[in-house]
Amino acid sequence: AQKITQTQPGMFVQEKEAVTLDCTYDTSDQSYGLFWYKQPSSGEMIFLIYQGSYDEQNATEGRYSLNFQKARKSANLVISASQLGDSGIYFCALENSWGKLQFGAGTQVVVTP
Amino acid sequence: DAGITQSPRYKITETGRQVTLMCHQTWSHSYMFWYRQDLGHGLRLIYYSAAADITDKGEVPDGYVVSRSKTENFPLTLESATRSQTSVYFCASSESGTGGRNEQFFGPGTRLTVL
Repeated sequence: AQKITQTQPGMFVQEKEAVTLDCTYDTSDQSYGLFWYKQPSSGEMIFLIYQGSYDEQNATEGRYSLNFQKARKSANLVISASQLGDSGIYFCALENSWGKLQFGAGTQVVVTP
Repeated sequence: DAGITQSPRYKITETGRQVTLMCHQTWSHSYMFWYRQDLGHGLRLIYYSAAADITDKGEVPDGYVVSRSKTENFPLTLESATRSQTSVYFCASSESGTGGRNEQFFGPGTRLTVL
């Protein structure tokens, strides 16, 4: 069975600082994908970044980067130079070979001035 | 409207009533999904559909029914609502199921309260 774990329920980050959000997973699939989504206070789900299990390089999308350590089964999200608008709940999700997403419980991030 | 929409956005109902949540997407995406979001659980998959007339159960399907007669619509029905089904429901769609960056695009959500 697949499992995805986000151990940080919440954190405060100062504006302009970098922050790392932890995500570990467990799967028996050889081919899988890892997604990060953000849910701002308005409630919608916003796609941030994707990492495929066979991708050799860590994914980057603007200020977002993914620290993918396949052997350790971790896919941590790094947000560089945090902005006030980065506040929200961040979800890590594991996609299995059938295309189904399993989400972690989320990490609430509050960016302070 | 382009994109993915859900209706209603808010719904209050009583235990035992049937409720249908609607989801419509304009991209002609093959895959559609229904999730529920509860505190402490993230989003959990209820049902998904790979194409019109093809549906399958997700992690928490009990008490829910889906259908997909047209590619663009994917309604979710609670046949006899229970208080435990009070939740925020998200519909999502993706172009294909797997094999690369097949991000799912989410609707705005429906907040359902069962009294």
